Amino acid sequence: DTGVSQDPRHKITKRGQNVTFRCDPISEHNRLYWYRQTLGQGPEFLTYFQNEAQLEKSRLLSDRFSAERPKGSFSTLEIQRTEQGDSAMYLCASSLAAAGARDNEQFFGPGTRLTVL
Amino acid sequence: AQSVTQLGSHVSVSEGALVLLRCNYSSSVPPYLFWYVQYPNQGLQLLLKYTSAATLVKGINGFEAEFKKSETSFHLTKPSAHMSDAAEYFCAVSKGGSNYKLTFGKGTLLTVNP
Repeated sequence: DTGVSQDPRHKITKRGQNVTFRCDPISEHNRLYWYRQTLGQGPEFLTYFQNEAQLEKSRLLSDRFSAERPKGSFSTLEIQRTEQGDSAMYLCASSLAAAGARDNEQFFGPGTRLTVL
Repeated sequence: AQSVTQLGSHVSVSEGALVLLRCNYSSSVPPYLFWYVQYPNQGLQLLLKYTSAATLVKGINGFEAEFKKSETSFHLTKPSAHMSDAAEYFCAVSKGGSNYKLTFGKGTLLTVNP
């Protein structure tokens, strides 16, 4: 068990470019979450998956954002036409959701820090 | 809707002193409450969680928190601060347990002075 991994750790891009981030959850975890953390703020929920199904999206997730989890394993978060306001740390977390097990912890990855110039 | 308020964006203590980080919550349903710690350039690590069992919750690294429904509080304490406790601490609430989206506070940066 190597924990939740995210790639890349840092991304610098120019405004208007598209970027894609990857998250690899803990292997047996069926839930995967994306959060965004801006400077001086706590993480804010963006979306989450149960296996390959995207169950909820925050209003923070504008049309320029899309997340996928095609085979219920790794997930990608794409931002199209990046804006300076997209600069943030993007955190991924995973957990094991099972019937009768409401208390399984969310494990967080190290995050991808995005800087939009 | 759920929300948390962390009083004090920055707390400074001396090594060996009591650590008290404050968190008040708002929830329309019985809440699940969490404290996470974040070290620089790292992800979040769970310190402890309240899931409607014992109101006094013990976590890792000597931290504990007490759920007080009458005060809608879930303050984090540690009797004696260590230099390694310097980090940012986040209180979070969920209405659906750990396997549901977390709503975080803005965080409290703890510094520990020698």
